[in-house]
Order: sequence, then structure tokens, then C-alpha cells
Amino acid sequence: EVQLVESGGGLVQPGGSLRLSCAASGFTFSSYATSWVRQAPGKGLEWVSVISGSGGSTYYADSVKGRFTISRDNSKNTLYLQMNSLRAEDTAVYYCAKSVRWDSSGYVDYWGQGTLVTVSS
Amino acid sequence: EIVMTQSPATLSVSPGERATLSCRASQSVSSNLAWYQQKPGQAPRLLIYGASTRATNIPARFSGSGSGTEFTLTISSLQSEDFAVYYCQQYNNWPPYTFGQGAKLEIK
Repeated sequence: EVQLVESGGGLVQPGGSLRLSCAASGFTFSSYATSWVRQAPGKGLEWVSVISGSGGSTYYADSVKGRFTISRDNSKNTLYLQMNSLRAEDTAVYYCAKSVRWDSSGYVDYWGQGTLVTVSS
Repeated sequence: EIVMTQSPATLSVSPGERATLSCRASQSVSSNLAWYQQKPGQAPRLLIYGASTRATNIPARFSGSGSGTEFTLTISSLQSEDFAVYYCQQYNNWPPYTFGQGAKLEIK
């Protein structure tokens, strides 16, 4: 059974940093790209970033480019999102999602339960 | 960036009836279109990919159609567990991957 478990969310002040983690199990982690998708309170889904199975290719939404960094440790079956220079508009539930492909293309077929990030003073 | 527009924003339907949700892309996405279902407090769940292929364990009452810029999700006979928010997403031209704003299916 595919499982994705996010952690690391919490309350952070504007301008602060946070690192999210996503522990994966139930599939060969290194064989699939993985994304972060967020959802602001009461709002829709917004794609944030994707990383290929090897970690060699990464892509970002313009809204987070230069502030967020996606990475993965295939030896630990774990995905990360380093978030710097956080803004109030980054407040959201952050979901980790598994792609159906090794490269960064394609849709996602499994989602974690999400971790809430709140940016507020 | 491809803009995905869903309509209607809210659809009120009685259990047992048919529901039809629409999704329009600002430019062609071929058949690279997925539909997700999200219930309150839960993560999204994949329903349809490739515009018309049901994902694993998705009931046959869910069907998708369309290509290019116009897509439809149809639920043939609504069950109580189907009342939720539905999102379309294109994965043809990326980054970014883009979602529609969501369509809420509520009980009439």
C-alpha cells in the first residue's frame, strides 16, 4: 500500500524558514517523481514543485521560485521542501504527491494527508 | 501558463441523479487531463486520468470525456459519498501544472 506521510508544518513568522518532510513507503520511491501541492484555507489546489525520481530535475511555481527548494533522499525514501523567506500567502496545507512517472511529467496518483504551514506574526 | 476554468462553481443534485461538471483549458492540453475528488478534511483522490481512464478502484459511475480544451466529468447516479469538491488538472504544458478552481457538488 502506498503511503505518504508529511511532517514539519507549524507556525512561523513572516520571513522565517521551515523544512517539510514526506516519508514514502509501499513503492520504489526512486522510480517516481514527487510533487508538493498546497491548498490555502478554503481555497483550491496549487502546484508548488516537482522533482524527478533521481533528483536531477526540479521545477517550481513562479510564486515560490527562489524561496523554496525541493530535494529528496532516495536512501531514506524521503522528500523535502525547504521553505525560506516565508510570507503570509504561503499559509496552506502542503501535500506530498507521487507521480506516475520517473521524470517530472505526468499526473499524480497518490497524495499524503498534508501538513499545515501557518505564516503569521 | 494554461488556465483551467471549471463550471459550474457549485452544482446541487439529488441522490440518484446524474451530475455533469465541466472543465475548460485556455489552450489545448490534448488528453492530458486528470480529475480529482476532495472531501472535507481529506487529501484529494485521483478519479480520472488521460481525460477518460478511471483510476484504480474508481466506480464505473464516474466517467470522463473530452480532449483539446473541453472536458467533462459525469457521475451517472449520485451516491451520498460523491458529494465533494472536484478539481481538473492539466499535465500537458508544464511547469506549472495547473488546476481548475474546483467545483462543489452538493446535495439538493
